[in-house]
Amino acid sequence: GQQLNQSPQSMFIQEGEDVSMNCTSSSIFNTWLWYKQDPGEGPVLLIALYKAGELTSNGRLTAQFGITRKDSFLNISASIPSDVGIYFCAARGVGSSNTGKLIFGQGTTLQVKP
Amino acid sequence: NAGVTQTPKFRVLKTGQSMTLLCAQDMNHEYMYWYRQDPGMGLRLIHYSVGEGTTAKGEVPDGYNVSRLKKQNFLLGLESAAPSQTSVYFCASSDNEQFFGPGTRLTVL
Repeated sequence: GQQLNQSPQSMFIQEGEDVSMNCTSSSIFNTWLWYKQDPGEGPVLLIALYKAGELTSNGRLTAQFGITRKDSFLNISASIPSDVGIYFCAARGVGSSNTGKLIFGQGTTLQVKP
Repeated sequence: NAGVTQTPKFRVLKTGQSMTLLCAQDMNHEYMYWYRQDPGMGLRLIHYSVGEGTTAKGEVPDGYNVSRLKKQNFLLGLESAAPSQTSVYFCASSDNEQFFGPGTRLTVL
């Protein structure tokens, strides 16, 4: 079945550093989403991407929908302590357009040292 | 506008007990989902619904049942809880992007 490979699994960085994480798959998708989950909370949508090649920013966050439609990356610039959490990529394939179902990556755990 | 709400927030059950988790959304979304989240396993889809009165199985449906009698509510039932069902359960609703509730932490002893 369809699967997303998210890397890295975890990162421990210094405050002020930039962060990059990505998701890859052997399948093609129509939508890529990036979520952040704070401890004890539900995932919160950060960025949604709908077109191959699309580059979208949300404050210090930037994400891109890969031109092959098989991958996406998320960058965080100038990290701050509140960036700590688990970041998930999610994707929707053509076959799921009438159900809205998403496939999720395993998550990247980010820790920021002040 | 509360978004997606879940009740209860925490619950401890004994093996064999039953319970129902309630999810409510006020965004008039057609699609609703139940996930479980376990360490190292990410989010796994249990059941989902594409509209009032409809339900379908997801990736890990065994041991769970669901009902969508009203568009705004999606119920997840455990008829006979097992320790393997200890997890954090998330509900989500969607029109295009999925929005998640705060979660229910369930422990089965």
